[in-house]
Amino acid sequence: EDQVTQSPEALRLQEGESSSLNCSYTVSGLRGLFWYRQDPGKGPEFLFTLYSAGEEKEKERLKATLTKKESFLHITAPKPEDSATYLCAVRILNAGNNRKLIWGLGTSLAVNP
Amino acid sequence: DSGVTQTPKHLITATGQRVTLRCSPRSGDLSVYWYQQSLDQGLQFLIQYYNGEERAKGNILERFSAQQFPDLHSELNLSSLELGDSALYFCASSASGTGNYGYTFGSGTRLTVV
Repeated sequence: EDQVTQSPEALRLQEGESSSLNCSYTVSGLRGLFWYRQDPGKGPEFLFTLYSAGEEKEKERLKATLTKKESFLHITAPKPEDSATYLCAVRILNAGNNRKLIWGLGTSLAVNP
Repeated sequence: DSGVTQTPKHLITATGQRVTLRCSPRSGDLSVYWYQQSLDQGLQFLIQYYNGEERAKGNILERFSAQQFPDLHSELNLSSLELGDSALYFCASSASGTGNYGYTFGSGTRLTVV
């Protein structure tokens, strides 16, 4: 069964304390992995798309990496404004040859000043 | 402001009722996606429209239906509502039918069924 698992469920960091969030997946036929950020009461905001193992993308304090089984979202020297839920989604081709997104449940990140 | 507009922001209704949620995609985007988000199940894909035509279907119940109009806005109709339908409903849009560059989400409609 196609599955996306994010860990940890929740993470609390001190400002400046770097860490990584994990998104592991067991799917057949990866067609892209997406990272989103979601603030309370708002819709997810697109961060990155990764397509192949070894690929890396960076944006400010965030860097996303991809292997054949998982993706990491590295947060370097986080600030309180980085507090949010980070969602990972994997795109596959389903039985009807249509693209389908499978979402993880997210990691809730809190950065204390 | 993401450019995707959803109305209403909040909706409280009784079981058995029918409601309509509305979404205006970002200017220039042809695809609209509807998602349901609950605490225990995360984001669940419901349905996608591309330029007025249904493109993909997810875990959408038969009690739910959607359409995309010629001006590209979309409506999600939920009928015979049950308590379990209480959730956040998001609309997202993308320029293409593939969403390769990610989706732009609206702020959602919080539906409470009492």
